[in-house]
Amino acid sequence: GAVVSQHPSRVICKSGTSVKIECRSLDFQATTMFWYRQFPKKSLMLMATSNEGSKATYEQGVEKDKFLINHASLTLSTLTVTSAHPEDSSFYICSAQPGSGNQPQHFGDGTRLSIL
Amino acid sequence: GNSVTQMEGPVTLSEEAFLTINCTYTATGYPSLFWYVQYPGEGLQLLLKATKADDKGSNKGFEATYRKETTSFHLEKGSVQVSDSAVYFCALSSQGAQKLVFGQGTRLTINP
Repeated sequence: GAVVSQHPSRVICKSGTSVKIECRSLDFQATTMFWYRQFPKKSLMLMATSNEGSKATYEQGVEKDKFLINHASLTLSTLTVTSAHPEDSSFYICSAQPGSGNQPQHFGDGTRLSIL
Repeated sequence: GNSVTQMEGPVTLSEEAFLTINCTYTATGYPSLFWYVQYPGEGLQLLLKATKADDKGSNKGFEATYRKETTSFHLEKGSVQVSDSAVYFCALSSQGAQKLVFGQGTRLTINP
């Protein structure tokens, strides 16, 4: 149980393109989803917290207009990297939390984004 | 603020060796503590957790005990396998909070 599917797993595109990444909880409802960015051989950096039906809460230093987050249902959140540039290349990971409070987060397999 | 400090890697061991990866934390109150594992090219998988002092989390031969007196949550396994090669992350979440705070990760390589 508690499976989170992230799609696509890898994307390569040209600079200036917008890229959408989907995060789905397959067998549970996730009131909260999280988006992380991971640089090579580094830890995960929380970008934003997404609650169903409301605006995402972004961490300090994360550009809201660059990284658009939509959490339209209890099983789907999307991250759109707008007008992507080479410096946006990274490994993006989502997680979903069933219920609230002390429930552990369940992670997707990540998306490797490469901007040429 | 809350923080997690992990033993620096990389760690390289031979198969069947004993493993310890140290993790200490700084937090107010009584956080929940977690170990996550990340295999190459994948997301994170929850390995084990503990939600209160003296709890022992265990899974797949790995164990960690929540030690409030030393603010630690060290990961141990008695006999490692090649398939345990991965990056291990210690993390905490504060009482009533949803955010996870991660340590820097420890890369473990097990040689046959």
